[in-house]
Amino acid sequence: QKEVEQDPGPLSVPEGAIVSLNCTYSNSAFQYFMWYRQYSRKGPELLMYTYSSGNKEDGRFTAQVDKSSKYISLFIRDSQPSDSATYLCAMSGNTGNQFYFGTGTSLTVIP
Amino acid sequence: DTAVSQTPKYLVTQMGNDKSIKCEQNLGHDTMYWYKQDSKKFLKIMFSYNNKELIINETVPNRFSPKSPDKAHLNLHINSLELGDSAVYFCASSQSSGIYGYTFGSGTRLTVV
Repeated sequence: QKEVEQDPGPLSVPEGAIVSLNCTYSNSAFQYFMWYRQYSRKGPELLMYTYSSGNKEDGRFTAQVDKSSKYISLFIRDSQPSDSATYLCAMSGNTGNQFYFGTGTSLTVIP
Repeated sequence: DTAVSQTPKYLVTQMGNDKSIKCEQNLGHDTMYWYKQDSKKFLKIMFSYNNKELIINETVPNRFSPKSPDKAHLNLHINSLELGDSAVYFCASSQSSGIYGYTFGSGTRLTVV
């Protein structure tokens, strides 16, 4: 079993929709949680990071962590065609030296 | 001015050859990483260096040898390339602990034929 599970999609939504992306994990020691966005043929770029449980908002993006359920989510409001990319979750224990990545969810926002 | 730069961007080579990928970061970070991304987009860590010292060495064939001449550079040398080595290799860097995230390079797409 992988440390981090993520539905690969693909997910296709109309412009303006609210998108929900999710990951589950098995290691209760994970403390740091990140979301990366990866455009085709590019490297992942950091979108958001959170520590422990709770919510964090940044513009149209909201990250949620529920440690009791070992479940994290990324919500994208008012989705735009420029949001079309693969979204990768990543998580780590205390040190942050080694992040475990999900396999990514491919998102297409249709104009 | 690219923060994490990798060269080459594309690499096509025959089985059995030896090749190197270079990475440089100008962010002042002291930790650098090599990740391998397979065709299903799964990113797996290979190596991590902190201030030129190897701190993570995942289960990787010993045909792969990283070298960090200084904290701004991390190179990857691969001997006797095999078909299964075909993947995208990403270099990344972070401040010591990485808890604020990594900055990735744009990747080296390696194809072994």
